[in-house]
This record gives sequence, C-alpha cells and structure tokens, in this order.
Amino acid sequence: EPEVTQTPSHQVTQMGQEVILRCVPISNHLYFYWYRQILGQKVEFLVSFYNNEISEKSEIFDDQFSVERPDGSNFTLKIRSTKLEDSAMYFCASSDSRVNYGYTFGSGTRLTVV
Amino acid sequence: GESVGLHLPTLSVQEGDNSIINCAYSNSASDYFIWYKQESGKGPQFIIDIRSNMDKRQGQRVTVLLNKTVKHLSLQIAATQPGDSAVYFCAENKRSGYSTLTFGKGTMLLVSP
Repeated sequence: EPEVTQTPSHQVTQMGQEVILRCVPISNHLYFYWYRQILGQKVEFLVSFYNNEISEKSEIFDDQFSVERPDGSNFTLKIRSTKLEDSAMYFCASSDSRVNYGYTFGSGTRLTVV
Repeated sequence: GESVGLHLPTLSVQEGDNSIINCAYSNSASDYFIWYKQESGKGPQFIIDIRSNMDKRQGQRVTVLLNKTVKHLSLQIAATQPGDSAVYFCAENKRSGYSTLTFGKGTMLLVSP
C-alpha cells in the first residue's frame, strides 16, 4: 500500500535554529498538507499546497514557516527560527484530489525544541 | 471557537463489545466528516467518511452516523478487538470544496481482552 514517508522521525533542535522537515508524498497525489499535533492535543492544520503554491494556511503558519516542493518527490516544511512552542508532532499528508478528505498521513516527525 | 469536539476523552470496553464514540460539531458549512484512528507513534489513519447528504454509512465492522439536526456524529465499532485500541478523531472539512480538515480532540479507546 502506498505510504507517505517522513524524515526524520525525531528531531531535537535548539531554540532559534532552523529546521527542515521532509516528506515524500504518494507519487500520483497532487495535494499536500502539513498538520501538527502538540502532545495531548488535537491535530491542527498548518498549510495546504497544490500546483507549487500554497492553497490555504492557518494562523499558526506565520512568517517563520515555509513550504517547498524542491523536486518532483519531496515536500518540505521549514521553520526558520524555532521556538519552544513549536515542539510537536508534524504530520505530512497527501491526497489525489481537493475533495478527497480521506488523505494519507505520514507517521510524523517529532520535533523537540530545547 | 472550537468547531469539533468529543464528549468522552476515554472509553474502556471489553473485547467483543460494541463501542460507540461520539463527536459534536458546530460548523453548519461542513459537508464532509471523517473518522481517523491514531495508534501510538503513528499518523492518523482514515477509517470511514460520510457526506452531509447521508445519515449512515457502513464499513467493515464500523458504522458512522450523522445527525445534522443536532450536529452530532458517531462511530460505532462492532465486536471491538484489542487491535482497535487507539485514539479516534472525528474531523470535518471547513466548507464545501475546501480540503482543509478541522479535527476534534480525540477519544482514547481501550479494549481489554
């Protein structure tokens, strides 16, 4: 069964450092997403991406965040200057259409900012 | 404010019992609802979905019920198994045609052998 792959599985970084979280969506999918989940809380939408541009973003996705699809397979989330409150699980997801909500999530990257 | 929420944070059942997990939503513009299962250390896994023009949808051992009058969604799991132990999230789309999902807080389902 096709999978969304995320790397690394764990990332520890110092406050103020830049991090890049990487994702390989399912190959024939066109819609890509980042969600995050702070420990013990609900999954929150960050950003959606289609046709090489951001489709929608949440209030969480401020100027410190950016996304990129540098090649035909990878989809990255960059946090420029991490804060303690950025510590969370970050999930990448992909879908084959805008209205297919049963999209496939990756296993996540646990980001710990110290 | 929060659009999607769950009534019970933890549900403990015996193996073989039927489980019912409930969810309330408040966004009248949502027309698509999904249940996800999340096991420890994994991402959310799609279980079943339902569109707002339906009241009920059945899958393998799972049934989703939608009551639009009271904005209530439930997930029924028949003959619950230990492998069903996980956190279950309901989610809704923001509005028709938009792919963003709003998740509820989740219910932990614990199945005892």
